Amino acid sequence: AQSVAQPEDQVNVAEGNPLTVKCTYSVSGNPYLFWYVQYPNRGLQFLLKYITGDNLVKGSYGFEAEFNKSQTSFHLKKPSALVSDSALYFCAVKDYKLSFGAGTTVTVRA
Amino acid sequence: EAQVTQNPRYLITVTGKKLTVTCSQNMNHEYMSWYRQDPGLGLRQIYYSMNVEVTDKGDVPEGYKVSRKEKRNFPLILESPSPNQTSLYFCASGLQGNTGELFFGEGSRLTVL
Repeated sequence: AQSVAQPEDQVNVAEGNPLTVKCTYSVSGNPYLFWYVQYPNRGLQFLLKYITGDNLVKGSYGFEAEFNKSQTSFHLKKPSALVSDSALYFCAVKDYKLSFGAGTTVTVRA
Repeated sequence: EAQVTQNPRYLITVTGKKLTVTCSQNMNHEYMSWYRQDPGLGLRQIYYSMNVEVTDKGDVPEGYKVSRKEKRNFPLILESPSPNQTSLYFCASGLQGNTGELFFGEGSRLTVL
């Protein structure tokens, strides 16, 4: 069985500070990993994905994510957060199907 | 503009009154899927379709029906809605084989009284 966990319901950071949103996964094979963002009253938007290759993946809006196979993690990062990054973030894993985590609400205060 | 369009965006209905939420995509995607989003539970897949006339159950299919008669359309049907189907629904589409990179609609907020 495959699963994905986002251990933090909420993350609060000050604008300009680094932002990290955590994600761990469990799959039987090699994972495809994804991050999506949902702004208020909008649908989810694809941010980035890891399929194979370099463990550091760069995506939209200055976000990046680091794949760590030994820790089965795929944390989302941004070096300098903006107020406009405040949103709901979903990690997802695809083995035989695409499964989403419960989501992490990010609040960036000015 | 590439998009997934859902209608209605908001709906309040009563128990047992059949309703359909439409979904249309203009990207010629083979794969389409319906999800429901509930607080603390993330997104759960209701049904998906790999291509025209090919549909399959997701994780929470009970109480829902779908059809895929045309490539662009994937309506979600609630034959007899119940209050536990009150939720935020999303339609998504993607390239053949469900690569995991999906395009989502804006969502349909359904309330069943």
